[in-house]
Amino acid sequence: AQKVTQAQTEISVVEKEDVTLDCVYETRDTTYYLFWYKQPPSGELVFLIRRNSFDEQNEISGRYSWNFQKSTSSFNFTITASQVVDSAVYFCALEAGGFKTIFGAGTRLFVKA
Amino acid sequence: DTGVSQNPRHKITKRGQNVTFRCDPISEHNRLYWYRQTLGQGPEFLTYFQNEAQLEKSRLLSDRFSAERPKGSFSTLEIQRTEQGDSAMYLCASSSSGQGEAGELFFGEGSRLTVL
Repeated sequence: AQKVTQAQTEISVVEKEDVTLDCVYETRDTTYYLFWYKQPPSGELVFLIRRNSFDEQNEISGRYSWNFQKSTSSFNFTITASQVVDSAVYFCALEAGGFKTIFGAGTRLFVKA
Repeated sequence: DTGVSQNPRHKITKRGQNVTFRCDPISEHNRLYWYRQTLGQGPEFLTYFQNEAQLEKSRLLSDRFSAERPKGSFSTLEIQRTEQGDSAMYLCASSSSGQGEAGELFFGEGSRLTVL
């Protein structure tokens, strides 16, 4: 069975704080893909990043960074120096063996000015 | 550039009525997905097309739900005899990926269904 767990339902931070969103996944497949998507208040889901199971290198893109650890089945997302515009719901997702992408329940991030 | 387009954006219907949603994917994308999202939840997979072939359908999708993608272009999702529990946002997404590789999904703005 495949599953994505985002244990943090809501996180509230003050602008300029760093924040980490946790994601734990389950799959028996050895080849799989992990994703993060952002859903701003306007509602449309936007792709942020994709990693495949063979690439455990961490990635940094501007204020965003991702930490993929197969040993703990985690794919965590950190926003450095958060901004009000980062306020959104963030979803972690998994695709394994069948091109069906499943999503976690999401973490709602509030960034206060 | 046109992204994924869905219509209608909002639909209010009475219980028992049929509704149909349409999705126009990004033109060069061969994969099309339907998801359902309720308040406070992540998108829930409903069905998936590769070109015109419906390759997977969620067990959550009852016989009242049917989806088509004629000619591998636009897709329709029909819900027959709607129930109040069908009230949700119906999301369409498309992607273009090579053999054995998962690509990112491009989502439309969704079609919100309210069943009274």
